[in-house]
Amino acid sequence: DTGVSQNPRHKITKRGQNVTFRCDPISEHNRLYWYRQTLGQGPEFLTYFQNEAQLEKSRLLSDRFSAERPKGSFSTLEIQRTEQGDSAMYLCASRGRQFTDTQYFGPGTRLTVL
Amino acid sequence: AQKITQTQPGMFVQEKEAVTLDCTYDTSDQSYGLFWYKQPSSGEMIFLIYQGSYDEQNATEGRYSLNFQKARKSANLVISASQLGDSAMYFCAMREGNTGNQFYFGTGTSLTVIP
Repeated sequence: DTGVSQNPRHKITKRGQNVTFRCDPISEHNRLYWYRQTLGQGPEFLTYFQNEAQLEKSRLLSDRFSAERPKGSFSTLEIQRTEQGDSAMYLCASRGRQFTDTQYFGPGTRLTVL
Repeated sequence: AQKITQTQPGMFVQEKEAVTLDCTYDTSDQSYGLFWYKQPSSGEMIFLIYQGSYDEQNATEGRYSLNFQKARKSANLVISASQLGDSAMYFCAMREGNTGNQFYFGTGTSLTVIP
């Protein structure tokens, strides 16, 4: 068990560019979450996958954001036409099949939009 | 209304002393779960302890214990024998809902352990 991994760890981009982040969950976990965390705040839920199905999306997830989990394993989060307000830490978490299972987080991707 | 409230933005504790970090929650569900996570300056969220709403005993994990008071809707984290490595942000979180897929986090408490 290597834990949840995320790539890249840091991303600096110019406003208007597209960026894509990857999350590899714990292998036996079928549930995957994306969160956004800004300075001084707790993580805010963005979206949730069960296997390959995207079952929930937050209102925070504007149409510039899209997430996929094509084979129910790794997931990608893409932000199109980035804005300075998108600068944040993007956290991925995975969770097992039991209702009481907790989430385990990856190290996050820190996005800076110039 | 906030689902999770952490009223202590910053706390200081002397090394080897115990410290309590406060957390109150708001839910109308009967079945829910409460979690505490630690976030060091490196940014990774580390799971510490879990309490289910139907658990009668307070959860404990090593030096961490959760003081669960259901009627008051509070789930305070107690860290005993503080160590310098405990300096970090601490977040309280709740899982609620029939499917239990939504997790809500508080704004966190910054803990500094003083040598």
